[in-house]
Amino acid sequence: DGGITQSPKYLFRKEGQNVTLSCEQNLNHDAMYWYRQDPGQGLRLIYYSQIVNDFQKGDIAEGYSVSREKKESFPLTVTSAQKNPTAFYLCASSRQAGGDEQFFGPGTRLTVL
Amino acid sequence: AQKVTQAQTEISVVEKEDVTLDCVYETRDTTYYLFWYKQPPSGELVFLIRRNSFDEQNEISGRYSWNFQKSTSSFNFTITASQVVDSAVYFCALCIGNAGGTSYGKLTFGQGTILTVHP
Repeated sequence: DGGITQSPKYLFRKEGQNVTLSCEQNLNHDAMYWYRQDPGQGLRLIYYSQIVNDFQKGDIAEGYSVSREKKESFPLTVTSAQKNPTAFYLCASSRQAGGDEQFFGPGTRLTVL
Repeated sequence: AQKVTQAQTEISVVEKEDVTLDCVYETRDTTYYLFWYKQPPSGELVFLIRRNSFDEQNEISGRYSWNFQKSTSSFNFTITASQVVDSAVYFCALCIGNAGGTSYGKLTFGQGTILTVHP
């Protein structure tokens, strides 16, 4: 089955530690995205990638980093510089950037203790 | 800059009632796309519909219908004869479609409307 997988579903980390969230898609989509969702709020874009080996900052990129070395993978690292990392993180992909519908993974709920 | 406003934070209805979720957007671009997504308690966003700025035809899919009006910058979503399974958070979103702009390919989401359907 084609889709987007994110792992793990729940993640706990101590303050000051970097943590990497996994996102894999087998839809052969060019574009991939990372969003953050806080309670009672909409989704905010962290980073996005329109094509392999290229990515751009979204609206709230500070304290995060990404890589796009393979078409199917777009991992997100939450660094210790992110002041408030506890949130629900959603990865998405679309056939191309610029208006194609984005399909979302199941999300990773990160809690920093 | 783009903006999406969903003024209704929470809506509560009884099963079989019709319910309309409002969405108002702001953009200066002439080419854009509007979306609705559903987020059930599991958390994963489910795509419902995409509409481009040049197509103002309303659309119906089963119990779901969408009303797109460029004159009022609105893209409202109606659920007819609501069911308990419709309980979820619903998001309206906007994406700019002109390549080369700084917002190209970025989805801007509204705050979401929590819909609760009681049996």
